[in-house]
Amino acid sequence: ETGVTQTPRHLVMGMTNKKSLKCEQHLGHNAMYWYKQSAKKPLELMFVYSLEERVENNSVPSRFSPECPNSSHLFLHLHTLQPEDSALYLCASSQGPGSYYGYTFGSGTRLTVV
Amino acid sequence: AQTVTQSQPEMSVQEAETVTLSCTYDTSESDYYLFWYKQPPSRQMILVIRQEAYKQQNATENRFSVNFQKAAKSFSLKISDSQLGDAAMYFCAYRSAGNQFYFGTGTSLTVIP
Repeated sequence: ETGVTQTPRHLVMGMTNKKSLKCEQHLGHNAMYWYKQSAKKPLELMFVYSLEERVENNSVPSRFSPECPNSSHLFLHLHTLQPEDSALYLCASSQGPGSYYGYTFGSGTRLTVV
Repeated sequence: AQTVTQSQPEMSVQEAETVTLSCTYDTSESDYYLFWYKQPPSRQMILVIRQEAYKQQNATENRFSVNFQKAAKSFSLKISDSQLGDAAMYFCAYRSAGNQFYFGTGTSLTVIP
């Protein structure tokens, strides 16, 4: 049991498709994050939610749209993506933003845009 | 903004031997936290060890230990008695006083049987 569950594990989508990534945690954490992981690059923070409110949006293109309906669930809605958006998308949670204890990560969704 | 540099894209170690992964960071802050994360092929990033900048004593977790040199802004990870299960990507991370995380580009560790 990882604590943070992400679905789907793999996703292939065309540039005109609309899809959503799902993240779920039952650790009692109150902050959740979306990161983009590309080869040979540092993890890129995309969005931060604290107590279900978005507290950070790091200049992410509008084709990525996050949603946090409650403290246990986080979604990333995708539409009209580009091939350069292909990457591993990681969800993480923590007890408070930037917790001393660090993050608990999910296993990611490997996204391929064709 | 803070930057985290891992200068070793790939490292290898013989099973049961010791390996050190390097990490340097750039900051003007005095209060921060440093972390090492491990990402095995399962892709889930797992916290290996953390270090508070105000503590002079190096953190240790079983076979994992760090060499924290605050003045040099260096935070290396030493893995002793390497095991096959240690093979993974290792990421160094910096948490700022403003609660932001910055990650390095990772070091891929291969353990040779």
